[in-house]
Amino acid sequence: GQNIDQPTEMTATEGAIVQINCTYQTSGFNGLFWYQQHAGEAPTFLSYNVLDGLEEKGRFSSFLSRSKGYSYLLLKELQMKDSASYLCAVRDSNYQLIWGAGTKLIIKP
Amino acid sequence: TAGITQAPTSQILAAGRSMTLRCTQDMRHNAMYWYRQDLGLGLRLIHYSNTAGTTGKGEVPDGYSVSRANTDDFPLTLASAVPSQTSVYFCASSEKGNNEQFFGPGTRLTVL
Repeated sequence: GQNIDQPTEMTATEGAIVQINCTYQTSGFNGLFWYQQHAGEAPTFLSYNVLDGLEEKGRFSSFLSRSKGYSYLLLKELQMKDSASYLCAVRDSNYQLIWGAGTKLIIKP
Repeated sequence: TAGITQAPTSQILAAGRSMTLRCTQDMRHNAMYWYRQDLGLGLRLIHYSNTAGTTGKGEVPDGYSVSRANTDDFPLTLASAVPSQTSVYFCASSEKGNNEQFFGPGTRLTVL
């Protein structure tokens, strides 16, 4: 079966750095996505990785290792507004997204 | 630009009744999707449409139907609602060849 694993919840301090991991087992791989979802709102796109390595976009970076079936989202200089759920999703061989349950990130002052 | 709109925002529905959730996008995207999101689970694809006039089944299609008469609209119908269909429903769209899916604000549906 297809499976996306990520921690249920993480806590971090304002101004710090946090890394949210995602491991996956899917039928085929056509890219990995990270989305941010604030409580009660729709998911919004953060990043996309299809090749191994690090993609940096401002305070957010995303890493992919296809051989290990592993990705992480790195958030730097955390701000209170970063409190949200972070969703990992993999596009499978049918070009459909398989979603993880999301990691709820709590930022403390 | 409105992006994607969904209606209603929320609804309480009696079991056995039918209901159509509406989704409209003004970005002229080819592909559209319906997901449900339940606590502790990832988003699950119900149905999708790669282009107007075509639809396909996702991971959890049973009890739901869709149509795609034109590019902009992608309604989701529950023919006879059951309590297990209580969920938050998100509509999304993407441009063919583009990686990003844009999501509507969601519809919170409670079936009693």
